[in-house]
Amino acid sequence: QLQLQESGPGLVKPSGTLSLTCTVSGASINSGRHYWAWIRQPPGKGLEWIGNAYYTGTTYYNPSVKGRVTMSLHTSENQFSLRLSSVTAADTAVYYCASSENGDFSWFHYWGQGTLVTVSS
Amino acid sequence: QSALTQPPSASGSPGQSVTISCTGASSDLHDYTSVSWYQQHPGKAPKLLIYEVTKRPSGVPDRFSGSKSGNTASLTVSGLQAEDEADYYCSSYADTNNVLFGGGTKLTVL
Repeated sequence: QLQLQESGPGLVKPSGTLSLTCTVSGASINSGRHYWAWIRQPPGKGLEWIGNAYYTGTTYYNPSVKGRVTMSLHTSENQFSLRLSSVTAADTAVYYCASSENGDFSWFHYWGQGTLVTVSS
Repeated sequence: QSALTQPPSASGSPGQSVTISCTGASSDLHDYTSVSWYQQHPGKAPKLLIYEVTKRPSGVPDRFSGSKSGNTASLTVSGLQAEDEADYYCSSYADTNNVLFGGGTKLTVL
């Protein structure tokens, strides 16, 4: 069974860079069966897709964060990561890593438990 | 692109059926079958309920069903149970290589 676990700082200063890692177990990052995704949820609000990464290294980003976001795959550790620069309070959210199956781009069968990142000085 | 539009709330009594709508634009819901639905209980990660408009992942009860007509998708929960009380989100692929979510619907079991 594929499992995902987010890790990273829970507090980031305004204008700083948010960095999170998702550790994958039960599947290989190198598998073409999955897209690897980051999705966030501000407190009390709805879900927002941040981006997808594929095993080829190709990435796809939400236009709302494009220019500030970088997703990377780390095959030797079977992890993928998120970096979001120039953060503001609006970036405060629970960040989920997720993955699709069967090469599907836009629906996510597996989710991590989520990690709250607060942007504050 | 704007988020998909869902009603903020819905309710029903145990045993009843409830339908939640999700409306999009021609560049997402209308043109694609990549519609999915998620259930989220408080403090928990979302759980995939429906994908490709009508398909259920293994383990999801057949009380949950999906449909789509034009640019509106719907999730129907039949035989409401207390544990169905949760937030529900629709999602769709959108042009180009984008994923949209609805604003969410809070389902209350009366």
